[in-house]
Amino acid sequence: SQTIHQWPATLVQPVGSPLSLECTVEGTSNPNLYWYRQAAGRGLQLLFYSVGIGQISSEVPQNLSASRPQDRQFILSSKKLLLSDSGFYLCAWSVRSSYNEQFFGPGTRLTVL
Amino acid sequence: LAKTTQPISMDSYEGQEVNITCSHNNIATNDYITWYQQFPSQGPRFIIQGYKTKVTNEVASLFIPADRKSSTLSLPRVSLSDTAVYYCLVGGDSNYQLIWGAGTKLIIKP
Repeated sequence: SQTIHQWPATLVQPVGSPLSLECTVEGTSNPNLYWYRQAAGRGLQLLFYSVGIGQISSEVPQNLSASRPQDRQFILSSKKLLLSDSGFYLCAWSVRSSYNEQFFGPGTRLTVL
Repeated sequence: LAKTTQPISMDSYEGQEVNITCSHNNIATNDYITWYQQFPSQGPRFIIQGYKTKVTNEVASLFIPADRKSSTLSLPRVSLSDTAVYYCLVGGDSNYQLIWGAGTKLIIKP
């Protein structure tokens, strides 16, 4: 069966500090991978998606970046965090041919102070 | 791109049937409609997906009229544990054409 992991589960960072969130998927090959952000009480905002190693598409221009160094690994980064980067970050995967049926990880709660 | 509109919140009682509607007036021919459930501090979970008419699984039904400009998620005999936020997602041709609704917060009362 497929499993998706995210870490850390929670993170408190000062403004201006760097960020690295990691997501890994097990039990599937060549998945589509997604990073979402969810502000408190709000809906899902798609940040990045990837259809393969090294292939990243950005939905929203901001101070965040993403990388996919391995087939089942997706990393979200920032060089300098802003207060507005606080939120719940979710990683998801889908099979290559199906974009609607996504499987989400447990999420990372990021608080920027 | 199909923009989706959902009610912000709904209340109901245990044992009732709950229907949540999502409007997507500009849905494209290749788009599917998918519904997700999200509990606090968890990732959304896939509930059901359809293209047209009616789809039913063990937890819900999805009704899609012939013009496909809306869809209704139906939860039979809800319980307190169905209290969650429900999202509709429209799309299917590619990653960048996925449109998430803002979510409907469903509160089930005893």
